[in-house]
Amino acid sequence: DVKVTQSSRYLVKRTGEKVFLECVQDMDHENMFWYRQDPGLGLRLIYFSYDVKMKEKGDIPEGYSVSREKKERFSLILESASTNQTSMYLCASSYRRGDRFFGPGTRLTVL
Amino acid sequence: QKEVEQNSGPLSVPEGAIASLNCTYSDRVSQSFFWYRQYSGKSPELIMSIYSNGDKEDGRFTAQLNKASQYVSLLIRDSQPSDSATYLCAGNSGAGSYQLTFGKGTKLSVIP
Repeated sequence: DVKVTQSSRYLVKRTGEKVFLECVQDMDHENMFWYRQDPGLGLRLIYFSYDVKMKEKGDIPEGYSVSREKKERFSLILESASTNQTSMYLCASSYRRGDRFFGPGTRLTVL
Repeated sequence: QKEVEQNSGPLSVPEGAIASLNCTYSDRVSQSFFWYRQYSGKSPELIMSIYSNGDKEDGRFTAQLNKASQYVSLLIRDSQPSDSATYLCAGNSGAGSYQLTFGKGTKLSVIP
């Protein structure tokens, strides 16, 4: 079974802090994704990567950056956290363009 | 028109009945479609994919795709309380795209 793990299930940070969310997958997938999920807004793509050191903006990249130094690891960075970034963050990986295997999610609260 | 639209529900069905979940889509996401199930407090999991017109069956689940009507559905036969979840429809815009557009989901409640 594909396993996607995320570094934290719950995280509380203060406004202005730099926040790192880490994601690791163990199935040698080429593609990795970061989404946020908010009530009434559904799943929205922040960034994705289809290869090491490659990244592409999704629908809502503002305020975020990403890093993919190794194939199995994809990090999401909030350079200066703001309260409107309070959300559930979901990492996913895939070997085909349509499939997504999601991690358990990180619920981030920015105070 | 939004790219992938779903009725948010909640959709309530009695145990043992057929649950019918529907999704419409725009021209931009017209190649292949996926149904994800998300239990409360959990992350989505892929349950069905469909790429061509017609029906695809997997156990109690049947996905139906009608490209002429831009409509995709998921039928759950013999619904069980354990099927209670939010179901997300997603569409992919083609072989050259990595982007998967998700609907906002339909919440299903199966009443014992």
